[in-house]
Amino acid sequence: DAKTTQPPSMDCAEGRAANLPCNHSTISGNEYVYWYRQIHSQGPQYIIHGLKNNETNEMASLIITEDRKSSTLILPHATLRDTAVYYCIVFMNYGGATNKLIFGTGTLLAVQP
Amino acid sequence: SQTIHQWPATLVQPVGSPLSLECTVEGTSNPNLYWYRQAAGRGLQLLFYSVGIGQISSEVPQNLSASRPQDRQFILSSKKLLLSDSGFYLCAWSLSSSGGYTFGSGTRLTVV
Repeated sequence: DAKTTQPPSMDCAEGRAANLPCNHSTISGNEYVYWYRQIHSQGPQYIIHGLKNNETNEMASLIITEDRKSSTLILPHATLRDTAVYYCIVFMNYGGATNKLIFGTGTLLAVQP
Repeated sequence: SQTIHQWPATLVQPVGSPLSLECTVEGTSNPNLYWYRQAAGRGLQLLFYSVGIGQISSEVPQNLSASRPQDRQFILSSKKLLLSDSGFYLCAWSLSSSGGYTFGSGTRLTVV
């Protein structure tokens, strides 16, 4: 069952902010929002995660709406190396041994020179 | 620091031949371990996961099996490969109950 909805593709100009949306309208109160990205022919890379507060790290910012039904991953200054498939995943931390990370189809972000 | 190793990076095998892919994790104890597969142009599919030595759970019925003979070693095997087993195989680890997975660099398997 798809718990998140993302646009299949987006373009962004190099140096501009990339804003990647994700809908997770059925998210439960103890589920986190995780973001990963997969550069072509590599394994997925963890970016950031959050529960309800906005989060920022050296890679990106995560903005979660107050009702937690959607979120946006922001890459503040996109570079060509940020071209990748970006996955938004809901995951219950401390959900027990049977809790697994399930990937959807993600958003292919193409950063244009 | 923790590291994850997968090998080989690429593999070409004939149909009907056996398969053994190995994944090892260093710098942590009792990790959760995972095998994913990504067929060409498709998404990541979870194949197996393990929460401890000898404990394997399969997500989808298939021609593959997994084993965890040691705490930080996870092996993916097949007795007879099919063409449909071709794909990009990724191993990952996480701390118990965390959604922060670390992935290996993957093995690209082509069955011919």
